[in-house]
Amino acid sequence: GAVVSQHPSRVICKSGTSVKIECRSLDFQATTMFWYRQFPKKSLMLMATSNEGSKATYEQGVEKDKFLINHASLTLSTLTVTSAHPEDSSFYICSARDPQGRETQYFGPGTRLLVL
Amino acid sequence: KQEVTQIPAALSVPEGENLVLNCSFTDSAIYNLQWFRQDPGKGLTSLLLIQSSQREQTSGRLNASLDKSSGRSTLYIAASQPGDSATYLCAVPGTASKLTFGTGTRLQVTL
Repeated sequence: GAVVSQHPSRVICKSGTSVKIECRSLDFQATTMFWYRQFPKKSLMLMATSNEGSKATYEQGVEKDKFLINHASLTLSTLTVTSAHPEDSSFYICSARDPQGRETQYFGPGTRLLVL
Repeated sequence: KQEVTQIPAALSVPEGENLVLNCSFTDSAIYNLQWFRQDPGKGLTSLLLIQSSQREQTSGRLNASLDKSSGRSTLYIAASQPGDSATYLCAVPGTASKLTFGTGTRLQVTL
């Protein structure tokens, strides 16, 4: 149980376009999901907390207009990178909070974004 | 602000060796600590979660310990295998369940 999927796993886009990444909890409902960004050989950095039915909470330094988050259902959160630029190229990972209330998270497999 | 550091940053050992990975955190007011494994280009796999009331957790060849007062945790891997090669991350939760990750240790186990 507790499987989280991401789609796409890999995407290449041109500079200036927008890219949407989906994060789904497959066998449980997730009221809270998290979006992380990871640069090569670096650790994960939290970008934002996605709450079902309400606005996302962004970490300091993360542009909310650049990284649009929508958590429209209990099993789906989306991250849209708007007007992508090469510096947005990164590995994006989502996670979902344990539905049993335990303080742990289940992670998706990640999405590799390359902006040309 | 919580800061989590892992040493060493990279480690290469021959197969069969026992090894210890270290994780330190600056704010000891945590309610658990989690160890993850990440293979190149992949997501995270949870290995062990230690509650603040626990001293250690074991899963197969892995043993994780936690010393809250000193702000340290260790991950012990017994009889290492090439398949153990990966990056190992520790993480602690803060407010609103937000995780702060350590800097990671890249492990390579050679034949």
